[in-house]
Amino acid sequence: SQKIEQNSEALNIQEGKTATLTCNYTNYSPAYLQWYRQDPGRGPVFLLLIRENEKEKRKERLKVTFDTTLKQSLFHITASQPADSATYLCALGDTGGFKTIFGAGTRLFVKA
Amino acid sequence: ETGVTQTPRHLVMGMTNKKSLKCEQHLGHNAMYWYKQSAKKPLELMFVYNFKEQTENNSVPSRFSPECPNSSHLFLHLHTLQPEDSALYLCASSQERTRRTGELFFGEGSRLTVL
Repeated sequence: SQKIEQNSEALNIQEGKTATLTCNYTNYSPAYLQWYRQDPGRGPVFLLLIRENEKEKRKERLKVTFDTTLKQSLFHITASQPADSATYLCALGDTGGFKTIFGAGTRLFVKA
Repeated sequence: ETGVTQTPRHLVMGMTNKKSLKCEQHLGHNAMYWYKQSAKKPLELMFVYNFKEQTENNSVPSRFSPECPNSSHLFLHLHTLQPEDSALYLCASSQERTRRTGELFFGEGSRLTVL
């Protein structure tokens, strides 16, 4: 069955450093991969999308890579700030329907 | 302020109660979704409606009954729930598209507790 794996352990980093989160998937060939941010008690908020034919995407301090051979995406936050502390969700989808599947998320803590 | 509004934000109900969750989107989207989020688990897709027609039912128990009267409103009717149904229920919407983006816009969720 399709499976998305994100590091279940929280990631603790110091302010100003680069946070790197990993998303691995199996039994799936997605057309695109998305990253969302979720704060406690709130709904997820879309951050970035990268398509299967793209290797890297950037948006301000965010960078996403997508390796369809390794079936892996890396999500980087450069110059991290305490306000970046949240849970980050990886999601995959295809062009055949409306079925976007999510990973369980990785909790990020940025210490001042 | 989110373009997707969910009510109520918190709901406590007994196993024999009947209640409903409501979702309204103000984004002009045509697809609407219900997801269930339990602690430490991935979001689980429950139902999808596109132009008011149900396109996905992810083997959800019949004690959850969705209703989509128009493209802006989505309901989830709840009856005879079990304690394990306690979770955060998230509504989302998206634009009909070439299906190459799939960006979802989520509401803030309805936190359901079943006693």
